Amino acid sequence: DAGVTQSPTHLIKTRGQHVTLRCSPISGHKSVSWYQQVLGQGPQFIFQYYEKEERGRGNFPDRFSARQFPNYSSELNVNALLLGDSALYLCASSLVLRESGTDTQYFGPGTRLTVL
Amino acid sequence: SQQGEEDPQALSIQEGENATMNCSYKTSINNLQWYRQNSGRGLVHLILIRSNEREKHSGRLRVTLDTSKKSSSLLITASRAADTASYFCATAYRGDYKLSFGAGTTVTVRA
Repeated sequence: DAGVTQSPTHLIKTRGQHVTLRCSPISGHKSVSWYQQVLGQGPQFIFQYYEKEERGRGNFPDRFSARQFPNYSSELNVNALLLGDSALYLCASSLVLRESGTDTQYFGPGTRLTVL
Repeated sequence: SQQGEEDPQALSIQEGENATMNCSYKTSINNLQWYRQNSGRGLVHLILIRSNEREKHSGRLRVTLDTSKKSSSLLITASRAADTASYFCATAYRGDYKLSFGAGTTVTVRA
């Protein structure tokens, strides 16, 4: 079975531009999460979606938005890009979303965003 | 902010030796997970240990969890060059849907 896929692999943008990152979860997985990983740090949670509804949001500005489609794929949008948005953006999927807390998440290879 | 803190930040060992890294966290968890990351690419899930478990094994990996000390350790036995990577602990809290990652331990296995 295919794992989590993300596109594009790399992206170069300039300050002020807008970017859309895409993620396809593992077949059958209904939950998708987005994380930002700045060089030298651990991933930071941005969003989580389950059954097309936002279930969690991290401490990121409103320039960051996301959505999940009926086929459970997801998009992360970032407006008015800043230099500090340069990072590896990771998407993760999981089978279900348990109320007791998140279960095993399977990560994609990431999209490397560079903002000049 | 990072919830888990790994120690040490970096580790260099000879092939065949064991590697141990630790993770501390701040509040009660539902489970703790360990991930590996090669060269800034995607994270690979290694082990999940629940708050009511004390030890789990998977191949050459052994994870312990001490909820009274709010800490966990990951042991890699008989290390190989392919184990060279960054290792992250991630905590999941009851009623919370996200994983909170530490800054990671970079492990280098010398041939």
